Amino acid sequence: DVKVTQSSRYLVKRTGEKVFLECVQDMDHENMFWYRQDPGLGLRLIYFSYDVKMKEKGDIPEGYSVSREKKERFSLILESASTNQTSMYLCASSLPPGQYTEQYFGPGTRLTVT
Amino acid sequence: DQQVKQNSPSLSVQEGRISILNCDYTNSMFDYFLWYKKYPAEGPTFLISISSIKDKNEDGRFTVFLNKSAKHLSLHIVPSQPGDSAVYFCAASPTGTSNTGKLIFGQGTTLQVKP
Repeated sequence: DVKVTQSSRYLVKRTGEKVFLECVQDMDHENMFWYRQDPGLGLRLIYFSYDVKMKEKGDIPEGYSVSREKKERFSLILESASTNQTSMYLCASSLPPGQYTEQYFGPGTRLTVT
Repeated sequence: DQQVKQNSPSLSVQEGRISILNCDYTNSMFDYFLWYKKYPAEGPTFLISISSIKDKNEDGRFTVFLNKSAKHLSLHIVPSQPGDSAVYFCAASPTGTSNTGKLIFGQGTTLQVKP
């Protein structure tokens, strides 16, 4: 079974802090993704990576950066946390684009910025 | 521009009855569609998918129907059970050379199944 783990289930940070969210997958997947989920807005893609050290912006990259130094690990960084970044953050991984490719999600990190 | 839309934010059904969740898309390049289920404080889990070469796919109590001409898909759950209460997301992707690996998600529909 694919396992995607996220470093924290719940996190509370102060405005202006630098925040690191870590994601690790154990299935040797090339693709990794970071989403945020907000009520009524669904899952919105922040960044994705299709290989080590490769990254592409998603739909809402502002205020975020990412790092992928190893294939199994994909980090999301909030450079200076703001209250509008309070959200559920979800990491996912998948095989490279093929005919039919599903994504496997981690349990999520509920981040509160005060 | 929302390319995948779930216009019903919530749905409530009685246990044992049918639940029908709907999803519309606008991009004609989409030809692979997935449904995910999400419980609170958990990540989404894959439920069922359908490719555009089919118009129906079944897996136990779950059936997905695809109407390509209307750019519409629906998820039927029969019979509905209280454990089905969750948020359901539909997602879409192109395949072939247009496939970047990204999925485009709808806003989600919260299903409540009452005992």
